[in-house]
Amino acid sequence: GQQLNQSPQSMFIQEGEDVSMNCTSSSIFNTWLWYKQDPGEGPVLLIALYKAGELTSNGRLTAQFGITRKDSFLNISASIPSDVGIYFCAGPSMRTGNQFYFGTGTSLTVIP
Amino acid sequence: DAGVIQSPRHEVTEMGQEVTLRCKPISGHNSLFWYRQTMMRGLELLIYFNNNVPIDDSGMPEDRFSAKMPNASFSTLKIQPSEPRDSAVYFCASSPTSEQFFGPGTRLTVL
Repeated sequence: GQQLNQSPQSMFIQEGEDVSMNCTSSSIFNTWLWYKQDPGEGPVLLIALYKAGELTSNGRLTAQFGITRKDSFLNISASIPSDVGIYFCAGPSMRTGNQFYFGTGTSLTVIP
Repeated sequence: DAGVIQSPRHEVTEMGQEVTLRCKPISGHNSLFWYRQTMMRGLELLIYFNNNVPIDDSGMPEDRFSAKMPNASFSTLKIQPSEPRDSAVYFCASSPTSEQFFGPGTRLTVL
């Protein structure tokens, strides 16, 4: 299957700092999705990317779809305490389109 | 739209009991997914349906697990008999095409 590797696994940062995390795959994706999961809740879709090279922003969040279609990154600017959570990358299977693959997640802790 | 609805939000049961988890997908979404999340294994896909038909159940741990989708607006995941190692958070998600939307999850504890 298509494997997604996320890095880093965890991050501890000071409030106000910028954050960068990425996701790589051994095979190509046509869509990249970024989710955030708060404790005790389900993952919530933050940003969806549909085209290689695409750069999309959602408030303080910016994500890019890599040119090779095998990677994506997510940046968070000026972090705040409510950014705490686990961030997942995901993408639908190239073969079936219905099955989705998820990364292992990046756990973010923001220190006030 | 209310989003994906799951019930119950929490379930505590004793080993050997039957457990049924319920999901109402977002109206108009033609794919539905059941996931299990644990600290050790992360997010695991159990089964997914397309247009109410099970497409891939290779993630279902064993015969104690079964899932049904009798119509486009309802799905169940049943565990019978339940075991302590089934304790996890179970998520339902639905998808129109290339995006997936999750419910709040059911936290299952099997004693």
